[in-house]
Order: sequence, then structure tokens, then C-alpha cells
Amino acid sequence: LAKTTQPISMDSYEGQEVNITCSHNNIATNDYITWYQQFPSQGPRFIIQGYKTKVTNEVASLFIPADRKSSTLSLPRVSLSDTAVYYCLHTGGFKTIFGAGTRLFVKA
Amino acid sequence: DTGVSQNPRHKITKRGQNVTFRCDPISEHNRLYWYRQTLGQGPEFLTYFQNEAQLEKSRLLSDRFSAERPKGSFSTLEIQRTEQGDSAMYLCASSLAGTGLSTDTQYFGPGTRLTVL
Repeated sequence: LAKTTQPISMDSYEGQEVNITCSHNNIATNDYITWYQQFPSQGPRFIIQGYKTKVTNEVASLFIPADRKSSTLSLPRVSLSDTAVYYCLHTGGFKTIFGAGTRLFVKA
Repeated sequence: DTGVSQNPRHKITKRGQNVTFRCDPISEHNRLYWYRQTLGQGPEFLTYFQNEAQLEKSRLLSDRFSAERPKGSFSTLEIQRTEQGDSAMYLCASSLAGTGLSTDTQYFGPGTRLTVL
């Protein structure tokens, strides 16, 4: 089943841009790449989704190279409230496999 | 608030008791999912419904677990004869199934935290 690889943890400072890269070595042709954010004791929150190239919304950008074997979530100018776990997935239909995610800790 | 809601938010029970959780999805969503999440891990898929039909069940879902979505709207997850290993956060998500080359984005509820003593 679809599984991704991403760093276990990252540290950053307020105001910095944070890039979290994920590998999708066995991504299927029809799969999309999706990122979620999760705070303690809450359900995951959808951040962004894309199929290829670049997608941008009000909170993040997602960069996907042509081979789609990886993706990079970019968070501009992080704040303390961006401290959370970030999950990358590749999703086709209903099958959604979460890994352990990347724990981002933003320091003042 | 028109997001996914779950009740109760917290449940403490004694080993051997039965518990039932409820999920109310976003109203127009036809797919509903249940996940389990333990500390430090990502959510693990348990089962999913398209309308009222339960189309997929994980091997994690032992025979003590049963889920229903009788009218294609809200869903319940029941755990019979709870064990301490059932202690976890139980998450519900819903989505609107797409067509063609697409994927359905899942929107999660706040979860029900179960503690089995």
C-alpha cells in the first residue's frame, strides 16, 4: 500500500520559511499528493493537495517535480502556532495511509 | 459550524464494557471513514462507507468492532468487551467522492479519546 517517507522532526524560528520534503517512491498514476496538519488532541486538518508542478493557497505552497516521486510543502514565515505534526500522503480513491508525520517545532 | 462532529469527545470505561461513538459528517458528503490514532503515530484506517454501504474494513478491525451508517448520514462505531489496548483517539472523516481522475479530500472531526481502565 502507498507509503511515504518524511523527516521525523524539524525545528525552525518564527518568521522563517519552512520546507518539508516527502518521498513518494511508489506513487500511482492516479494518486494525488495531500498534506495535513495536526495539533495535539485534534483531528488532522487539510492543508493543500496537488497532482503535479506547483500549487499555492492562502497557507502554503506545494511543489511536485515532474517524476512525482517527491513533494515539498513550503510554509512561508512560520509562527509559533504552526508548531504541529505535518503528514504527507498520496491518495487514490478512498485509500489513505498516514505515516508518522514530521513534527515541526517553531521557536521564538 | 458545518464541519465533522464527533461525540463524545472523551470516554473513560472499564475493561470489558461496551462503548459506542457517533460521527456526524459534513452534510453533503457521501463517504465516511473511521481511523484510530495512538500516541506518536499517524491515524490508522479502520473502515469506510460510501453512503450506507460499508465497502472496506481493515484487518485492524477485530470482531469486537462494528460500524454502521444506517441512513447514509451519521455513523456509529461500537467496541464490545473493551480492552486496554483499545485506548486511543478514534477519528472520523468525511468526503465527497469525485469522478474521473480525482481524489476525495477527507475532512476530519475532533476525535473521541477512549481510555480503557
